[in-house]
Amino acid sequence: KQEVTQIPAALSVPEGENLVLNCSFTDSAIYNLQWFRQDPGKGLTSLLLIQSSQREQTSGRLNASLDKSSGRSTLYIAASQPGDSATYLCAVNGNQFYFGTGTSLTVIP
Amino acid sequence: GAGVSQSPSNKVTEKGKDVELRCDPISGHTALYWYRQSLGQGLEFLIYFQGNSAPDKSGLPSDRFSAERTGGSVSTLTIQRTQQEDSAVYLCASSSTTTGSEQYFGPGTRLTVT
Repeated sequence: KQEVTQIPAALSVPEGENLVLNCSFTDSAIYNLQWFRQDPGKGLTSLLLIQSSQREQTSGRLNASLDKSSGRSTLYIAASQPGDSATYLCAVNGNQFYFGTGTSLTVIP
Repeated sequence: GAGVSQSPSNKVTEKGKDVELRCDPISGHTALYWYRQSLGQGLEFLIYFQGNSAPDKSGLPSDRFSAERTGGSVSTLTIQRTQQEDSAVYLCASSSTTTGSEQYFGPGTRLTVT
C-alpha cells in the first residue's frame, strides 16, 4: 500500500523567507502528484498538479518538483506571506489518491 | 463554473441514527471521491466512483457505511446507526478522470455524533 509522508509536520517562519515543504512516497507507480492547501475549517484548495512525466510545475510564488524514481516531491514557496499560513497536503494518485498528513505552516508578520 | 458542493455543511445527530450526506460534483466530472478527515488526522480514503460504479470500496470503515451515485452525477454517503467515532469532516472531490487529472474538493460536511 502506498504510504505518503510529509516533513516537517509543522513549520514557523518569518514573513519574507523562502521555504521548502517535503513529501515522500513509497510506490513510484503513480499517475500524478497534487499539492493542496487547507485553511482551518475549510476544504482543500488545489495548488499544483504534476504529472508523472513532469519534473516540476510553477504557479506564481509556488514551485513544485517531482522525482518519481526516488519517491520525493518538494513544494517551494518564495517570499512567504502571512496569508500563506495554512496546512499543506500532498497527494499521490495511483489507483486512488493517497494523502500525507500535512505540514502546518505559520508565517509570522 | 460551479465547484463541488456538499450538503449539509454541518450535521449533529444522536448516536444510533442514520445520516445521509450529499455531494454534487463539477458538471461533466466522471470520477467522484469520498474522504473522511478526523480531528488532527490526515485524509482517509473511503470510496470512489467512476461513473455510477464503485471499483474500490476498500476504504469504507464498516458495513454501516454505504454510498451510491446515480446518473453519473450526485452521490450520497449513508452512515447507518451512527457511532461517536464517526464524528469527522466528510469531504467529497471530483475529477474529470481517475487518472492524470486534478481533484477538486468540496467544502465538506462536519458530522458530530452525540
